[in-house]
Amino acid sequence: QVQLEQSGSELKKPGASVKVSCKASGYTFTSYGMNWVRQAPGQGLEWMGWINTNTGNPTYAQDFTGRFVFSLDTSVSTTYLQIRSLKAEDTAVYYCARSKGTFDSWGQGTLVTVSS
Amino acid sequence: QLVLTQSPSASASLGASVRLTCTLSSGHSNYAIAWHQQQPEKGPRYLMKIISDGSHTKADGIPDRFSGSSSGAERYLTISSLQSEDEADYYCQTWGTGLAVFGGGTKLTVL
Repeated sequence: QVQLEQSGSELKKPGASVKVSCKASGYTFTSYGMNWVRQAPGQGLEWMGWINTNTGNPTYAQDFTGRFVFSLDTSVSTTYLQIRSLKAEDTAVYYCARSKGTFDSWGQGTLVTVSS
Repeated sequence: QLVLTQSPSASASLGASVRLTCTLSSGHSNYAIAWHQQQPEKGPRYLMKIISDGSHTKADGIPDRFSGSSSGAERYLTISSLQSEDEADYYCQTWGTGLAVFGGGTKLTVL
């Protein structure tokens, strides 16, 4: 069955970087795009962008340019979200979700907490 | 601009039915959407896809109590025979060329 397994919770200080992973299994990795979605505490779902798993080309939503980097390693069917220069407002749960338009499978989420 | 609009909250009694609405922005009334459920303290779960003619395709394991329909720019999620575990946030989602959009979510309370 399709599974997206994300890395564990992170506690980081402001200004640091974090890298979250999302390992896919149960399907052909390059047949679906991979999206990243942010959910701040008590808030809704916010699309951050996606990465084309065939070409490695990332697309970032307007509010997620500059400090956010999507990457992948097709040899291990894994995509990555890196956030640089962390701020307190980056505290959120980050989800990966595969898509062909519809987001039809989600990771379990990774809590990133930014606090001094 | 592609935007999805949802009412912030809805409520219905145990055993009753409820219909949640997601409205597509002007000029996008033919877009397909997806519905996702997020139970308290859990991640989102994909429920179904609805296209403009109202037909829908559900994810594996989604009970028959959940159905989808469409009218114009509105896409609906109907839940019948409400159970306590249906109390959750429900998000609609759509996509265009190189982008995806979520609605603000509807918090469903089962009374």
